[in-house]
Amino acid sequence: EAQVTQNPRYLITVTGKKLTVTCSQNMNHEYMSWYRQDPGLGLRQIYYSMNVEVTDKGDVPEGYKVSRKEKRNFPLILESPSPNQTSLYFCASSGLAGLTGELFFGEGSRLTVL
Amino acid sequence: TQLLEQSPQFLSIQEGENLTVYCNSSSVFSSLQWYRQEPGEGPVLLVTVVTGGEVKKLKRLTFQFGDARKDSSLHITAAQPGDTGLYLCAGVDVGFGNEKLTFGTGTRLTIIP
Repeated sequence: EAQVTQNPRYLITVTGKKLTVTCSQNMNHEYMSWYRQDPGLGLRQIYYSMNVEVTDKGDVPEGYKVSRKEKRNFPLILESPSPNQTSLYFCASSGLAGLTGELFFGEGSRLTVL
Repeated sequence: TQLLEQSPQFLSIQEGENLTVYCNSSSVFSSLQWYRQEPGEGPVLLVTVVTGGEVKKLKRLTFQFGDARKDSSLHITAAQPGDTGLYLCAGVDVGFGNEKLTFGTGTRLTIIP
C-alpha cells in the first residue's frame, strides 16, 4: 500500500529535550515536505526537499532541522523544543518534481512541549 | 508570503442542504488544489483546477477556479454526513524556477444528520 508513515503519532516532551519525528514514504517520491497545522492558521510549510541531499526552508523553519540522506526518509529534528512548537505536524510527499501533482500526507504527529 | 483566506471558517448545516465554501487571495496562482481532512488523518486531494474559469465536478462537489486565477469555490449539493471534515484550498505558485504551495486557513464543515 502506498503511504507516508510518521512516527511517533503522539508525543509529550519537555522544553529543551531534543526529539526527532521520522517520516518515510514507499512511493519513490522525489519531493518531501514538513508542515505544521495550528488552529486558524492552516498548514504552514517548515522545510521541504526536492531530492536527496537537497533541502530548503519553508515559511516557518525556525527551531527545526531536516535531513534527506535517503530518498524515502525525511526526518524532522527539534534540537531544543519550546512550547510554541506544540502543534500537529504532517509529512507529505509528491511524485512530481514540482507541486502541480498530488501531495500525499502522513497521518500526523501531535507534539506537546511542556 | 501569499495568503489564502477561506470562508466561512466554520459551517454547520443540515443533511440535504447546499453550501459553498470560498477561497480568496490577492495573488495569482498557476493552479489550485482542494483537500479534505478528516479527524486523525492527513489531508487528501480532491481536485486540482488549472485554467482560469475552469469548473470540475466530483459527484455532488463542484469546484470552480476564478477567471483571474486568484480565487476558487467549492459547492456541495445535498450535503451528507460523510462530507463532514476540514476543507483546505492550496494555491500553487510557479516563479523563479521554484514552485510553492500555499494552504488556505481551512473551512471546518459539519453536516448534521
